[in-house]
Amino acid sequence: NAGVMQNPRHLVRRRGQEARLRCSPMKGHSHVYWYRQLPEEGLKFMVYLQKENIIDESGMPKERFSAEFPKEGPSILRIQQVVRGDSAAYFCASAGQGDSPLHFGNGTRLTVT
Amino acid sequence: RKEVEQDPGPFNVPEGATVAFNCTYSNSASQSFFWYRQDCRKEPKLLMSVYSSGNEDGRFTAQLNRASQYISLLIRDSKLSDSATYLCVVKDPGGGNKLTFGTGTQLKVEL
Repeated sequence: NAGVMQNPRHLVRRRGQEARLRCSPMKGHSHVYWYRQLPEEGLKFMVYLQKENIIDESGMPKERFSAEFPKEGPSILRIQQVVRGDSAAYFCASAGQGDSPLHFGNGTRLTVT
Repeated sequence: RKEVEQDPGPFNVPEGATVAFNCTYSNSASQSFFWYRQDCRKEPKLLMSVYSSGNEDGRFTAQLNRASQYISLLIRDSKLSDSATYLCVVKDPGGGNKLTFGTGTQLKVEL
C-alpha cells in the first residue's frame, strides 16, 4: 500500500524556467493538498484540490503558480518563470473523505539557480 | 499575530529529561489540533491528535486549553531519537482538511 508519492525528490531549475512537481495520492484518496516550506520557516498551505476541482487556492501566489488534479494521473504543481525565492521544499498531502488525517509525501526540493 | 505560534527553541535536554512545548492559536473557532514531528526537513508525520480532555500516548501527553487557546506537548523520559522539530498544527474550521502549521520547536536530546 504505497503512500503519497512525489517526484522528483530534487529539482534544479535556472531562473526563468518552468518547474513541474508531481504528486500521486494514496490509493483511495481523492483530496490533495500542497504545502511549501521555505528555508528556516514553517509549512504554508498553498492549495487544496479534489479530482478536477480546485477547492481552496487561498495560499497560492497570484502569478506564475498553478495546480491541477486531473481525473486520471497525478496532481501537478506548476511554477512558471521560476525565481530564486521559489527555492523551497514542496510537500503534497492526501486525505480520504471526511475527517481522515493527512498523509504527507517525501516532498520535492526545488532549487533555483 | 500569527495564526499558530510556537517558541522556536532549540531545547537542548539530557536523555531522560522531561520537556514541555507550548503553542497558542488565534482562531477561537478552531476545533481540531495536532502535534506533528519533522525530522531534518523530511515530511511532517502525525505524532498525536490533541483532545479537550487531554490525551496520552506512551511518553507523550498533549493538553488543550480552549479558553486560553493554548496547546501543550509533554515528553517524558526523553530519548535521543526524540530529537526533531515538533510542529503545532491547527485544522481550519472552514471544512476540508486544511491545516495551519506553527514554525516548530526544535528539540535536541543529548547524552
